[in-house]
Amino acid sequence: KAGVTQTPRYLIKTRGQQVTLSCSPISGHRSVSWYQQTPGQGLQFLFEYFSETQRNKGNFPGRFSGRQFSNSRSEMNVSTLELGDSALYLCASSFAQGGTEAFFGQGTRLTVV
Amino acid sequence: DQQVKQNSPSLSVQEGRISILNCDYTNSMFDYFLWYKKYPAEGPTFLISISSIKDKNEDGRFTVFLNKSAKHLSLHIVPSQPGDSAVYFCAASNYGQNFVFGPGTRLSVLP
Repeated sequence: KAGVTQTPRYLIKTRGQQVTLSCSPISGHRSVSWYQQTPGQGLQFLFEYFSETQRNKGNFPGRFSGRQFSNSRSEMNVSTLELGDSALYLCASSFAQGGTEAFFGQGTRLTVV
Repeated sequence: DQQVKQNSPSLSVQEGRISILNCDYTNSMFDYFLWYKKYPAEGPTFLISISSIKDKNEDGRFTVFLNKSAKHLSLHIVPSQPGDSAVYFCAASNYGQNFVFGPGTRLSVLP
């Protein structure tokens, strides 16, 4: 069974641009959560999608948004990029909403210059 | 305000000895706790979990202990192996809500 797939693996953008990251969950999983990992803040929850609806949201500005498609694939968008958005963005999938065991992808390393 | 704390950023242990990683939380609504292990350039991997109705859960070399009154949990790895060298994240959840992760502890197991 294929794991969680995130694309792209690496990305370099300039300030002010926008970026879209993609996550394909494990087959059969309907919940997708997004996390930001930075050296100073550790792993921080961004949002969770289940059945194409955002169910939970972390404490991030509105520049961070996402969506989920009917096949459970999810995209995360960050607009008006700032230098501080440079981070590893991780996607996790689980079978149920708020699933207690989430499986993570390898992440997308975003560098904003 | 960190709801989940891992006060030791790093830990070094000799191969074969016990590794003890600690985690403290402040939110008494948390009722499910997990440990994840993360190698460089990889996403976190689920290791072991414990529900608040238990005080101990064991899986092979890994045992998690939960002290609800102290809002403290610990992960014991016995015996430690060099392949256990990684960053370990403690995470807490109010079942059905999002996970809150600690900042992680880097474990180095020395041969």
